[in-house]
Amino acid sequence: SQQGEEDPQALSIQEGENATMNCSYKTSINNLQWYRQNSGRGLVHLILIRSNEREKHSGRLRVTLDTSKKSSSLLITASRAADTASYFCATDPNTGNQFYFGTGTSLTVIP
Amino acid sequence: EAQVTQNPRYLITVTGKKLTVTCSQNMNHEYMSWYRQDPGLGLRQIYYSMNVEVTDKGDVPEGYKVSRKEKRNFPLILESPSPNQTSLYFCASSRIQGGSYEQYFGPGTRLTVT
Repeated sequence: SQQGEEDPQALSIQEGENATMNCSYKTSINNLQWYRQNSGRGLVHLILIRSNEREKHSGRLRVTLDTSKKSSSLLITASRAADTASYFCATDPNTGNQFYFGTGTSLTVIP
Repeated sequence: EAQVTQNPRYLITVTGKKLTVTCSQNMNHEYMSWYRQDPGLGLRQIYYSMNVEVTDKGDVPEGYKVSRKEKRNFPLILESPSPNQTSLYFCASSRIQGGSYEQYFGPGTRLTVT
């Protein structure tokens, strides 16, 4: 399987702290995306980073990509209780049009 | 409102009884896809479609069929459901723009096969 893996599987922090989660993948990619899922609901797209980019920001989100290590990180700054959700990375290998999602990081932000 | 809709949202059925889960998007997206989500396994792609009449297998296509006769619709068909197809299913759609696919997801269909 080419599925990615997120690390850690679960993360619990206090409101106001920063949350960092990591994603590793196995093959060369076109893009890497991060999605959020609130319990049992559909995923919501957060941010996309292309393979030729190293860092991208969107509001309180910062994503980095290291293609040499086949890894990415998502940083959520100044977390809020509403950030409580599962976060998934998704890759589309440059060999086709399939998508591979990671196993997810469950983030709990304690008010 | 731009959205992806799925029906039904919840379904309990018995082994071997054919079923169809519908998916429709109103954003004129070319790319549509089906995923299943199982605990500890994340989302796995079942089938995807780049446009009308063009479908391809994803990572876990066994036991599923799809069709794309219209751009907005992408139904998932289980000809003979089995208990190992009990799962949470998501449909998603995306524009194909510059090689990037920011997917919009439906609300999910929770299927139980007894």
